Amino acid sequence: AQSVAQPEDQVNVAEGNPLTVKCTYSVSGNPYLFWYVQYPNRGLQFLLKYITGDNLVKGSYGFEAEFNKSQTSFHLKKPSALVSDSALYFCAVRDMFPAGTALIFGKGTTLSVSS
Amino acid sequence: ETGVTQTPRHLVMGMTNKKSLKCEQHLGHNAMYWYKQSAKKPLELMFVYNFKEQTENNSVPSRFSPECPNSSHLFLHLHTLQPEDSALYLCASSPVALESTDTQYFGPGTRLTVL
Repeated sequence: AQSVAQPEDQVNVAEGNPLTVKCTYSVSGNPYLFWYVQYPNRGLQFLLKYITGDNLVKGSYGFEAEFNKSQTSFHLKKPSALVSDSALYFCAVRDMFPAGTALIFGKGTTLSVSS
Repeated sequence: ETGVTQTPRHLVMGMTNKKSLKCEQHLGHNAMYWYKQSAKKPLELMFVYNFKEQTENNSVPSRFSPECPNSSHLFLHLHTLQPEDSALYLCASSPVALESTDTQYFGPGTRLTVL
């Protein structure tokens, strides 16, 4: 069975500081990993995904995520946070096999960036 | 968000009403999804359609009835709902249903309140 965990309900950072939003996963085989962001009263927006290859994935709005197989993690990072980054962030995972497996989402982490 | 549109954005209905949610995708995708997002809970996958055929029904109560007349349009018909059905209902699309590496793209959601 596959699962994903976001251990922090909320992350608070000051504008200009680096930010990290944590995600860990559990799959039987190789994982496909995704990050989405949700602004208030909006749907989920795709940020980035890891399929294969380079462990450091770059995405939209200056975000990046590092795939760490040994730690089964896929933390979202940004070198310098903006107030406009304040939103709800979701990590999602899908196992490579079997085919047709649904995308499993974490509960979400609220990022609050203060000025 | 113009890729996937949802109407209405907000809906208030009584438990005896019948209403429908509409989703339209302009991305040329073949798969469409309904998700339920409740506060403090992970996204719940409700239904999956691939090339207009329903491929997944995650034990959703029969008071929710999906319809997919073509690959671009998806409806969720609501009847005799309960207050606990109040949530944000999200539509998503992807090139092929449940393809492991595909990204799902989400609409802005319909905020449903059942009185």
